[in-house]
Amino acid sequence: QSALTQPASVSGSPGQSITISCTGTSSDVGRYNFVSWYQQYPGKAPKVLIADVSKRPSGVTNRFSGSKSGNTASLAISGLQLEDEADYYCCSYGGGTSFVFGGGTRLTVL
Amino acid sequence: EVQLVESGGGVVRPGGSLRLSCAASGFTFDDYGMAWVRQAPGKGLEWVSGTNWNGGRTGHADSVRGRFTISRDNAKNSLYLQMDSLRPEDTAFYHCARVIYSYGNPTTFDFWGQGTLVTVSS
Repeated sequence: QSALTQPASVSGSPGQSITISCTGTSSDVGRYNFVSWYQQYPGKAPKVLIADVSKRPSGVTNRFSGSKSGNTASLAISGLQLEDEADYYCCSYGGGTSFVFGGGTRLTVL
Repeated sequence: EVQLVESGGGVVRPGGSLRLSCAASGFTFDDYGMAWVRQAPGKGLEWVSGTNWNGGRTGHADSVRGRFTISRDNAKNSLYLQMDSLRPEDTAFYHCARVIYSYGNPTTFDFWGQGTLVTVSS
C-alpha cells in the first residue's frame, strides 16, 4: 500500500486555526472510518490525538478535531499554541491487520 | 500506568538477524492487539507488523513480509519481532504499540514505546 498524502508543512500564528489534510484511496481512508491522528515531538514517541476519524481519547484537548470526506481525512487545530509545534501523522486501517501512515506534516507556530 | 519497553536493537550487517522484544506492563496484555511501527531517522512512521490478542492473526507490511515475523508470549507479557535477511533500508527506530479495536477491527495505536534503534550497515 502507498503512504497517505499529507502536506509536508503547515504554519500558523498563536490563536489561529489550521487544518491538515490526509488523502488516501478507496481501499483505506475511503473504505473505513478508522482514521487516526498522532502528534510527535522530536525524539519522543507518538501520541494519539484522534481515533476512528473524529473521536478524542480521554485527556486530549478539544482544540483538536477530526473529520473525513470521501478519500480525504482532516485534522483541525483551533486556538494554536506554541506547544502545538510538532509533527503530525495520519493513519488508516487498511484491512486485515494492516495500516498505512501518511508521510507526516511539520506544524510551525510562528 | 501503561508501559511498553523495547529492547534488542543494535548494529547488524546486511543479511543478518535480530530479535526485538517489547515488555508490557500496567494493563492486561492479552486483552489487546499489538504492533510494531518503525521510523527511519528523520523520516515518517511505517507500520511493520501486527498481531491480535493471542497471535492467531498476524500481518506484515509488503516491505518486510517473508523476512520479519511477529509473535507474542502472553504468559510473559511480551511482544517480539524476529528480523531476518536485514537490509540497509530496515535501519530505523522500532516502536511497539498497543492496538485498540473497533467493530472487530484493529483501528488505533493508543500507547507507544520509546523505540529501539536498529542499524543495518556493513
